[in-house]
Amino acid sequence: NAGVTQTPKFRVLKTGQSMTLLCAQDMNHEYMYWYRQDPGMGLRLIHYSVGEGTTAKGEVPDGYNVSRLKKQNFLLGLESAAPSQTSVYFCASSYKRNGELFFGEGSRLTVL
Amino acid sequence: GENVEQHPSTLSVQEGDSAVIKCTYSDSASNYFPWYKQELGKRPQLIIDIRSNVGEKKDQRIAVTLNKTAKHFSLHITETQPEDSAVYFCAAMDSGGSNYKLTFGKGTLLTVNP
Repeated sequence: NAGVTQTPKFRVLKTGQSMTLLCAQDMNHEYMYWYRQDPGMGLRLIHYSVGEGTTAKGEVPDGYNVSRLKKQNFLLGLESAAPSQTSVYFCASSYKRNGELFFGEGSRLTVL
Repeated sequence: GENVEQHPSTLSVQEGDSAVIKCTYSDSASNYFPWYKQELGKRPQLIIDIRSNVGEKKDQRIAVTLNKTAKHFSLHITETQPEDSAVYFCAAMDSGGSNYKLTFGKGTLLTVNP
C-alpha cells in the first residue's frame, strides 16, 4: 500500500499561472482533505470531500478549486496563482469522520 | 466555528524530563481531540487521540488529559528522548451533525536536548 500520494512534490509558478495538485489514496477512504501549512499558522483546511462527487469549503477556500471525480483521487486547482499561495500543501484521507488522518508527503509550492 | 489555541509555541527540555503542551478550544460541542507529531520535513502523524467520554488516555510515555468543563486538553510526554523532538499539533472536532472539519492549533516546537 502506498497510502496517500501527492504529485508534484515541488513546483515553482509565476503569478497568474495555473496548476493542479493531485492526491491519490489506495485505502478506500471516503473522506479526503486539502490543508495548507505556513510557518506559525498550523494546518488550515482549504477544501474537503466526504465522498466521490462531493466537495465542500474549509477555512481558507478562496483562490482554490477542487474536484473528486473518483473516490481515490482529490484534485486541488489554482486558477491564477498569487504569491500568498506560496505554502506547503498536504492532502489527507480518513476512513471515518473523526478517524485518523493519513497525510501525504506534502507539496511545496512557490509563487513568484 | 471552532478555535483552538495551543501553548507554548516552543518548548525546550533536557532528555529525561517531562514535557507538557496545552490546548484550549472554543466550541463546547467538540468531542474528538487528536494530537499529531510532525518531524522536520515529514508529514504529520497521529500519536494519540481522546474522545469526550474519557478524561485521560495513556500510551507508553504519552498521555492526554481532557477537561470538558474548562474546555482544555493537554499532551504529556514523560522521559523525553531526542527522537521526541518535533512539532506537535493539537486539534478539535465536533463530530456530530454535518461538521466534518478538524481544527488544528498552531503547533508547538519541542526540542529535547541530549
